[in-house]
Amino acid sequence: GEDVEQSLFLSVREGDSSVINCTYTDSSSTYLYWYKQEPGAGLQLLTYIFSNMDMKQDQRLTVLLNKKDKHLSLRIADTQTGDSAIYFCAEEKDSSYKLIFGSGTRLLVRP
Amino acid sequence: DSGVTQTPKHLITATGQRVTLRCSPRSGDLSVYWYQQSLDQGLQFLIQYYNGEERAKGNILERFSAQQFPDLHSELNLSSLELGDSALYFCASSGTAPEAFFGQGTRLTVV
Repeated sequence: GEDVEQSLFLSVREGDSSVINCTYTDSSSTYLYWYKQEPGAGLQLLTYIFSNMDMKQDQRLTVLLNKKDKHLSLRIADTQTGDSAIYFCAEEKDSSYKLIFGSGTRLLVRP
Repeated sequence: DSGVTQTPKHLITATGQRVTLRCSPRSGDLSVYWYQQSLDQGLQFLIQYYNGEERAKGNILERFSAQQFPDLHSELNLSSLELGDSALYFCASSGTAPEAFFGQGTRLTVV
């Protein structure tokens, strides 16, 4: 099927690291993405990773990709209250940039 | 600001009516995508246009149609509206890079 799965909720303390996990289905996906959605706002592209990479780091964000297990994770270092949002992972389908999204993980950062 | 502009931001209409949602992609982007975000279905890909031609189709109802014009802006037409069509409709655009940038969305409420 086309299911991309994520846990629904994650709560962390400010300053801690957050790890948001995702499993996807299409082993032929070329790119995998992380998007952030704040309340009442659109989707903000955070980062993406090419499928032949294992890891990508971008400032406080680290993406890990395990192709064998079809597992993607997003680590946010030094999580801040402004990071509270819903995080969506997405896989690309059919090499067309058509994205299949997970249901989103709501991250709550406690002061 | 992603550079993708959607209008209107909010729309309230009655069942059975028809509405048109408009999207202006980022400058130079040839691909436009439409997504629907609802509470029960999550984020669903509807349709993609590339330089005026339909490229990919997802879970788009027959009551819905889209087009991309020569100036690359796109419109999503929703007709015979039902209560269940209430959702946030996103437009995204991409160029040659694998990144897709999303607009702020149009929130459609059908009453």
